[in-house]
Parts: sequence; C-alpha cells; structure tokens
Amino acid sequence: DSGVTQTPKHLITATGQRVTLRCSPRSGDLSVYWYQQSLDQGLQFLIQYYNGEERAKGNILERFSAQQFPDLHSELNLSSLELGDSALYFCASSPGGTAYGYTFGSGTRLTVV
Amino acid sequence: SQQGEEDPQALSIQEGENATMNCSYKTSINNLQWYRQNSGRGLVHLILIRSNEREKHSGRLRVTLDTSKKSSSLLITASRAADTASYFCATAPFNNAGNMLTFGGGTRLMVKP
Repeated sequence: DSGVTQTPKHLITATGQRVTLRCSPRSGDLSVYWYQQSLDQGLQFLIQYYNGEERAKGNILERFSAQQFPDLHSELNLSSLELGDSALYFCASSPGGTAYGYTFGSGTRLTVV
Repeated sequence: SQQGEEDPQALSIQEGENATMNCSYKTSINNLQWYRQNSGRGLVHLILIRSNEREKHSGRLRVTLDTSKKSSSLLITASRAADTASYFCATAPFNNAGNMLTFGGGTRLMVKP
C-alpha cells in the first residue's frame, strides 16, 4: 500500500457516458497529479493541484475536468467518453513540487465500450 | 510529448546479470528520477538525482547523470526475477517550470530465472 488510494480500480462504461475517478493522496502530501497511461501514448500528464488550487495543466481534453477538495482528495471527471479514452488513469501525490519523488496510486483502469 | 526517452525499449537478461538502461532528455532539468512499474500496477519511486550530482547509489541501483550530454543511466546489479518490470525516467524541469514530472516511454526489463 503506497498511501495513495484510487477508486474504483476498474471501470467499464459505454461511449458518451461520464465517470468520476477519485484519489486520496498520501497523508501530508499537498500536491495531487493526474496521469493517463495508454499503450501508444505512454504516461501523459493531465493536471496538478496543490492545496486545493490548480497549478499546472498538461494535455487534458476539454471533456475532462478535475478538482481538489478541502480535505485534499481529488476527483477527475471524464465526460462524453470515447473509445480512445480507454486507459489507465493514475493519481500521484507529493509534499510539494518536483523536488520530491511522487507516490503513485494503483490506478483506475477505464474501458470504454 | 515526452521529455525523456529510454533506451533500449526492451531488455532480456538472465538472473544474476547486470541491467543497464539509458535515458536521454531535451531541456534543462532540476532533477531526474527513476521509477519502476510492475505490469498494470502503479509506479514506484526508486531514486532521485539532482542536476548537481553525477552519481547516486541505492542498494543494487546505481544512477549516473551527465547534464552536458543530457543523459542518465540506471544500473541494476545482480538482477533477480523480481526485478522484471518497466522502468521509467522522469525529469523535473529547471526552476520547476510547469511544476510536474515528464516521463519517458520506459524500458521493459525481463529477468529470466
């Protein structure tokens, strides 16, 4: 157990639907990062939150959104899902920025059918 | 886009042999990190080397960094079957610009018993 909790572990849904992925960071970590991992694109950075505020944005589609709540857990919302959104979605946390190693959760495997 | 590129993409060795993986990157960095990922699982932080360091050790791991060549290598000595995994380098941009790690495509290591 890394200390970062992601739910659900697996999700199967139909095209056009909307899903919410949840992440609880390691205790004491203020930064949460979301990454998408697919076979053809590798690990792609989506978005970062620090203590409730958005800090950095990567290749995140407009159909995707995220937020970090006062208790520091974060949610990634994926809407109007397409087949190409099927991937592993990872949440990672760190005490601050990139001066520290990240602690990753075990991921959510999303399958869009 | 990927900042780091690992070489080779795949490596197969016998137990007890050493495994060397290389990473090249494009822009100035603050630090470089190596992660391990077992199939379908979350990434695990292995080691972080700062831009002013040239070599770092952790157990059977040895990491080198050559900022003039924008390259790093990860050496795993006396490999074990349990070392079978994908290994990723990740770069933290200089001055924390962007404030997130950028991951390479990974090296798939197979250690045969």
